[in-house]
Amino acid sequence: KNEVEQSPQNLTAQEGEFITINCSYSVGISALHWLQQHPGGGIVSLFMLSSGKKKHGRLIATINIQEKHSSLHITASHPRDSAVYICAVGRGSTLGRLYFGRGTQLTVWP
Amino acid sequence: GAGVSQSPSNKVTEKGKDVELRCDPISGHTALYWYRQSLGQGLEFLIYFQGNSAPDKSGLPSDRFSAERTGGSVSTLTIQRTQQEDSAVYLCASSLRIIAGVSYEQYFGPGTRLTVT
Repeated sequence: KNEVEQSPQNLTAQEGEFITINCSYSVGISALHWLQQHPGGGIVSLFMLSSGKKKHGRLIATINIQEKHSSLHITASHPRDSAVYICAVGRGSTLGRLYFGRGTQLTVWP
Repeated sequence: GAGVSQSPSNKVTEKGKDVELRCDPISGHTALYWYRQSLGQGLEFLIYFQGNSAPDKSGLPSDRFSAERTGGSVSTLTIQRTQQEDSAVYLCASSLRIIAGVSYEQYFGPGTRLTVT
C-alpha cells in the first residue's frame, strides 16, 4: 500500500468550476508538498505546509494533521490549470526524501 | 536567478551501454535529490546528497546505479549496463539545506528523458 494516496486519479472540469483534489497519508510527516506537472514534464512546487491553510492566487491548500489528510482547491478553474497535481510528504525519520502520491490528472475544458 | 538544470534533456542509448546524467542545482543549495518517473508510474526517490555526501542511497534500484556530487554543486547519476526497464524521466531537485525537523521547498529541474532500446 502506497503511503500517500490521492483522489481522484483523473478529474475533468468545465472552466470556472471549483476543483478539489484530496491526499491522504498513513505516516507521520514533517511537511506535505503539492506539486504541479505540466505536459512536457516540468515540476513546480505549489505549496509546502505542515499545518493549517495556505493560499496563492486561485489555489488553496489545507492540511489536517490529526486526520492525515490534505486538500488542494482551485477556484474559478481555467484551461491553463490542466496538469498533473502531485501530493508528496516528507518524513522526519527519513530526512530529505519525499514520498509521492500517484498524481491527479486534471483537465479543464473551455 | 537560474533554476536547476539537467543535461542531456533526452538520451537514447542501446541496452548494455553506460549513461551519465548531469544535474546543476541552484547556486547555494546544499541539498540535492534524484528522482525517477517511469511511464505511467509515480515519482520515486533514488538518492539525496547533503553537500558531497549521500546519507540515503536506499532508493537506488540496483548496484548498476550510482551517483556522486563534487564541490557541493554538480551531481552525476550513472547507470551502468542499461536495461530497458531503466527507461524513464530522471529528475533532479535541490533545496537550500536539510535540517532535522525543518522542511525546505524543493526546486525541480526539467528532467532527462532516458530511452533504452
